[in-house]
Amino acid sequence: ETAVFQTPNYHVTQVGNEVSFNCKQTLGHDTMYWYKQDSKKLLKIMFSYNNKQLIVNETVPRRFSPQSSDKAHLNLRIKSVEPEDSAVYLCASSYTSAETLYFGSGTRLTVL
Amino acid sequence: SQLAEENPWALSVHEGESVTVNCSYKTSITALQWYRQKSGEGPAQLILIRSNEREKRNGRLRATLDTSSQSSSLSITATRCEDTAVYFCARNNNNRIFFGDGTQLVVKP
Repeated sequence: ETAVFQTPNYHVTQVGNEVSFNCKQTLGHDTMYWYKQDSKKLLKIMFSYNNKQLIVNETVPRRFSPQSSDKAHLNLRIKSVEPEDSAVYLCASSYTSAETLYFGSGTRLTVL
Repeated sequence: SQLAEENPWALSVHEGESVTVNCSYKTSITALQWYRQKSGEGPAQLILIRSNEREKRNGRLRATLDTSSQSSSLSITATRCEDTAVYFCARNNNNRIFFGDGTQLVVKP
């Protein structure tokens, strides 16, 4: 049963464009995350928010910025995409930090 | 990888056979998790095993944890085609969960 919803499922864009991905969770969790999964299936954490506050910000380029309006929503904006940004972006939530993660099905970004 | 590694990188078995995926990690943990990711989906947790536990089961799945050797294993008995997926171990560290590189398991009919 899906409880973490991501939109869009796919996005194709040109280098230099701005993109924005949405994530919503209906589990009542306090913590949300963005992970990047590359073509080799490697999963790397990008950001973590707890109750709308940024608590983890891994070393990611400045063109990436998370946005949280409330604890159920965490969006990701990429200001000027580059080819290496092509990946699947996975949103997740957990009841507390660093416990069981519940993932959405991901947004696949292709940068031409 | 980010502090955890699975081996082997890929496995192929026939339905009904058993299979084991191993994981090693490099720093202390409070818990280790196993996730499965099927094609087109996000990862889903299978088992969470805490540092004071040695074994945990979930149906056909069995996870072990050896904190002295900093290793864990996930065994699947009576495999089915729908077990085909990438299997990840993941460890907690300072409000982050780091995933290993994953093992691709293919279960053939």
